Amino acid sequence: AVQLTQSPSSVSASVGDRVTVTCRTSQGISSALAWYQQKPGKPPKLLIYDASSLESGVPSRFSGGVSGTDFTLTIRSLQTEDSATYYCQESDGFSVTFGGGTKVEIK
Amino acid sequence: EVQLVESGGGLVQPGGSLRLPCEASGFTFTNYWMNWVRQAPGKGPVWVSRINSDGSSATYADSVKGRFTISRDNAKNTLYLQMNSLRVDDTAVYYCAKVRGGTDYFDSWGQGTLVTVSA
Repeated sequence: AVQLTQSPSSVSASVGDRVTVTCRTSQGISSALAWYQQKPGKPPKLLIYDASSLESGVPSRFSGGVSGTDFTLTIRSLQTEDSATYYCQESDGFSVTFGGGTKVEIK
Repeated sequence: EVQLVESGGGLVQPGGSLRLPCEASGFTFTNYWMNWVRQAPGKGPVWVSRINSDGSSATYADSVKGRFTISRDNAKNTLYLQMNSLRVDDTAVYYCAKVRGGTDYFDSWGQGTLVTVSA
C-alpha cells in the first residue's frame, strides 16, 4: 500500500501568513489525493480532491498542488478558524491511506 | 442535507462483538459506495472498510480482515459494521463516510461512535 508522509507535523503561524503543508507519497499515485481539515471533536472535512480541486463551500484561500510525488496544501492568508489538523488521503482502488497529520496553530 | 448518524458504540471486553449501524438520509443511499473509517484517541484517521452500492462487494483493511464485516440494507438506508473478536487496539471513534460520487474521497461523515475495548 502507498505510504503518505506529511510535513511538518506541526506549524505555528500568524493570522495572514501563508502556510504550506506537504504530503509525500511512497509511489506515484497520479493526482488521486485529497486534503481534509479536522477540528477537535469533529469528523474530518473534505477541502481538496484530485490534488487541486476545491470542494464546494471551501474558502478560496485553500489550494492544492502537486510536483512529482510531493503534494501540497496551501493556506494563502491564515485565519483564526483555520486552526486545525490537516490530513492528506489517497486511494489505490483497493485500500485507502491517510497521512499522519499536520497541526496548524495560530500564534 | 446529507446526514449520517452512527450508533451502537460502547464498552466491550476483548474478544467481544459489537454491531454499528449508520443511518443515512438526505441523499440517494443506493447510488453511493459507503465506508467505515476509525480514529483512535489522539491519532489520525484509518480506513477500515468499504462496500459498493448494492452490497455485493466489500473491501477491508488488513488489520480487520476476517474479524469485521461491512453490510448495508438499502431498503432502510442503513450501513452496518459487525465487529467480532475485538481487540484493545480496535478502540476508536468509528465514522461512516459517504464517497464523493465514483471516487474514494469522503465528502460526508457522521459524528462518530466511540468503541472502547477494555477488560
